[in-house]
Amino acid sequence: KAGVTQTPRYLIKTRGQQVTLSCSPISGHRSVSWYQQTPGQGLQFLFEYFSETQRNKGNFPGRFSGRQFSNSRSEMNVSTLELGDSALYLCASSLANLYNEQFFGPGTRLTVL
Amino acid sequence: TQLLEQSPQFLSIQEGENLTVYCNSSSVFSSLQWYRQEPGEGPVLLVTVVTGGEVKKLKRLTFQFGDARKDSSLHITAAQPGDTGLYLCAGAKAGGTSYGKLTFGQGTILTVHP
Repeated sequence: KAGVTQTPRYLIKTRGQQVTLSCSPISGHRSVSWYQQTPGQGLQFLFEYFSETQRNKGNFPGRFSGRQFSNSRSEMNVSTLELGDSALYLCASSLANLYNEQFFGPGTRLTVL
Repeated sequence: TQLLEQSPQFLSIQEGENLTVYCNSSSVFSSLQWYRQEPGEGPVLLVTVVTGGEVKKLKRLTFQFGDARKDSSLHITAAQPGDTGLYLCAGAKAGGTSYGKLTFGQGTILTVHP
């Protein structure tokens, strides 16, 4: 089974711009979650989608948004980029079972200049 | 507030030594997962523990979940250079507000020198 894929792998943007990141989950996984990883804060939960509905959201400003399509693929959007948004953005998919096991993609490294 | 305290943050050892990484919390988790992450890649799931007192072994790695399901440990026997990486513990809670959400520890950067 193919793993979680994320595109692009690297992005460089300037402050004020917006960015869209894409994620394709493992086949059969209907839950997709997004995480931000930075050296200072570690891995922090952004939001989770299941069957095209956002079921859970972390403590991030409204500039961070996402959506999920009928084929379970997901996109994440960050508007009005700030320097502090520079991070590794990780997508994870799961079977949404009791144990909440997450399978991560390789991430998108976003650099905001 | 960091709900999962992971220690030590850094570990530098020689090949063949043993080590233990700890993950502690004041919260009860329905399951706890351990991941390993290499530079430029996403975390890879090593194991999930779900029952208080549970012990799982993965070759030279031994994972334990505390009786009260608030803490966990990872023990590596006879470490090898290939074990080098960032080890992360992550707790999951049951219930609607926890969909997809794992609470991660800050991680332990392990370096094993040949």
